[in-house]
Formats: sequence, C-alpha cells, structure tokens
Amino acid sequence: SQTIHQWPATLVQPVGSPLSLECTVEGTSNPNLYWYRQAAGRGLQLLFYSVGIGQISSEVPQNLSASRPQDRQFILSSKKLLLSDSGFYLCAWSDRRGNEKLFFGSGTQLSVL
Amino acid sequence: DQQVKQNSPSLSVQEGRISILNCDYTNSMFDYFLWYKKYPAEGPTFLISISSIKDKNEDGRFTVFLNKSAKHLSLHIVPSQPGDSAVYFCAASGGTYKYIFGTGTRLKVLA
Repeated sequence: SQTIHQWPATLVQPVGSPLSLECTVEGTSNPNLYWYRQAAGRGLQLLFYSVGIGQISSEVPQNLSASRPQDRQFILSSKKLLLSDSGFYLCAWSDRRGNEKLFFGSGTQLSVL
Repeated sequence: DQQVKQNSPSLSVQEGRISILNCDYTNSMFDYFLWYKKYPAEGPTFLISISSIKDKNEDGRFTVFLNKSAKHLSLHIVPSQPGDSAVYFCAASGGTYKYIFGTGTRLKVLA
C-alpha cells in the first residue's frame, strides 16, 4: 500500500532563517507531488506541484521554492523565512494517470517568530 | 481569483439530522470533484468524489450531488454524528494536474 511521510511535525524558526521540509512517498512510482499551505483561518492554497523529477510548477509568487531530486521525494525550501510564511504545510500525492484521489501527509506546523 | 468557493464558513447541525455543505466553482474545465474532512493539525482525509459524467455519488452516510449547469456541488451527511465535527473542504480538478480547494466549512454536530 502507498504511504506518504512528511517531517517534521512542528517547527519554530526565527525570521530570516532557512527552511527545508521533506516529503517522501512509498509504494507507488511516478506520482504527482504537491505542496499546500493552510494559513490560520484560511483554506488550502496550492503552492507547488510536480509531475516528474526536476519538474516544478509554482502557483503563487512567494518566498518559497520546491525541488524534486528523486521520483518520490519532494522538498520545500526557503533561504530566508518571513513572518508571513507561518502556516500548516501539507504534502500530497496523486496517481499519474489523471483524475484520482489526492492523498495528504500529516502536515508540518511552521511558526516563524 | 477563487475558482472554488465555500461560502459558508461554519454550520451547526443537531445529531441525527442532515448536514448539507455547499461548494461553487467557476472553471468549466473542472471535471472531477472531491470532498475532504480535516481535523486540526492533521492532514485532510478523502471522503467522496464525483466525476462530471455523474450527478450523484453515494458512500454510506455521505452523498455528493453535482449540478454542472449551476457549477455547484453539495455534500450531504445523513445522519450526522458528533464525530463528523470537522472542517470540510471541497476540491476540483480538470484539464491539468492541479487540485484547487475551497476555503472550507467548519461543521459542528451537536449532541
């Protein structure tokens, strides 16, 4: 069966510090991978998605970047965090074949102070 | 541009009654719709989905209705249980690999 791992669960970082969140998927190959963010009291905002290694689509201009160094690994990064980067970050995957369910990881609560 | 909208931020329902959560979309390219349930500090979990070739899909207590002409879908939960209290998100996809989510509706089922 397929599983998705996302870590860390919580993170407190000072403004201006770097960020690296990692997500890995097991039990499938060639998944579509996604990063979403839920800001306090807000909906789920799509940040990045990837349909293959090295292929990243950015949805919202921001202080963040994403990379996919391996087929089942998706990384969210920032060189210098801003207060507005605080939120609940979610990694997700879907089957490459098309309209299928989207499966989410357990999320990372990021607080930038 | 909010392509998927959930206009009711919250809903309270008595236990045993029907809960109806609504969702509107603007992009006519969307052809697959999903509902997710989310508890605080957890990832959303999939509830039910519907393809645009259908107008209804049932799974136990959950039924999703799709009205393509109105670009509207709804989730019915019957009967509602206290454990259903959570935030519900609708999502849409189509034409691309993107899944666009609404802003969520917080459902509270009162015992």
